[in-house]
Amino acid sequence: EDKVVQSPLSLVVHEGDTVTLNCSYEVTNFRSLLWYKQEKKAPTFLFMLTSSGIEKKSGRLSSILDKKELSSILNITATQTGDSAIYLCAVAANAGNMLTFGGGTRLMVKP
Amino acid sequence: DSGVTQTPKHLITATGQRVTLRCSPRSGDLSVYWYQQSLDQGLQFLIHYYNGEERAKGNILERFSAQQFPDLHSELNLSSLELGDSALYFCASSGRTEVGREEAEAFFGQGTRLTVV
Repeated sequence: EDKVVQSPLSLVVHEGDTVTLNCSYEVTNFRSLLWYKQEKKAPTFLFMLTSSGIEKKSGRLSSILDKKELSSILNITATQTGDSAIYLCAVAANAGNMLTFGGGTRLMVKP
Repeated sequence: DSGVTQTPKHLITATGQRVTLRCSPRSGDLSVYWYQQSLDQGLQFLIHYYNGEERAKGNILERFSAQQFPDLHSELNLSSLELGDSALYFCASSGRTEVGREEAEAFFGQGTRLTVV
């Protein structure tokens, strides 16, 4: 059974801090790893990492895929209160594109 | 706004009842996925449709069924509802790429919050 584990479960930081969120996976026929941000309702897409694109960056957010260690990290630098959310890691494996999600990391950024 | 539309936003119903959740994917997307998010289970994949055909099933109960219509909108039917079915139900779509290549990044709708009382 495919498995995705995120750590930490929860994180509280102050504005300006840098955070690193972790995701590890055990899946058959890995295709891609995705990061989502979930604030109130819908998860919003952040990054997709594949064998041909193991590092992505957008503004203060960046992510790296380590295929050898079967893991990924999501870095957020100079955090802002608007970064407060649940960050979800998901893996697409096998022939279909259904996603197996981790339990998420709840990030709270205090002013 | 992801471009994926789900209705209704909220639904409160009694145990034993049947409800239908509706999803309109992003324009041009052929794939529709249904996910359930509950407090204790996190986001769980239920079912995937591609261009009207069922592609994959996840942890979907036999009391639940789905379909995708020719106009690509999808419905998730939940019957004989139980208290434990209370959750957020998300629809996601993907597939707006060049012909023959199905992208993995799925874009989620705002969800339908189902409360069974």
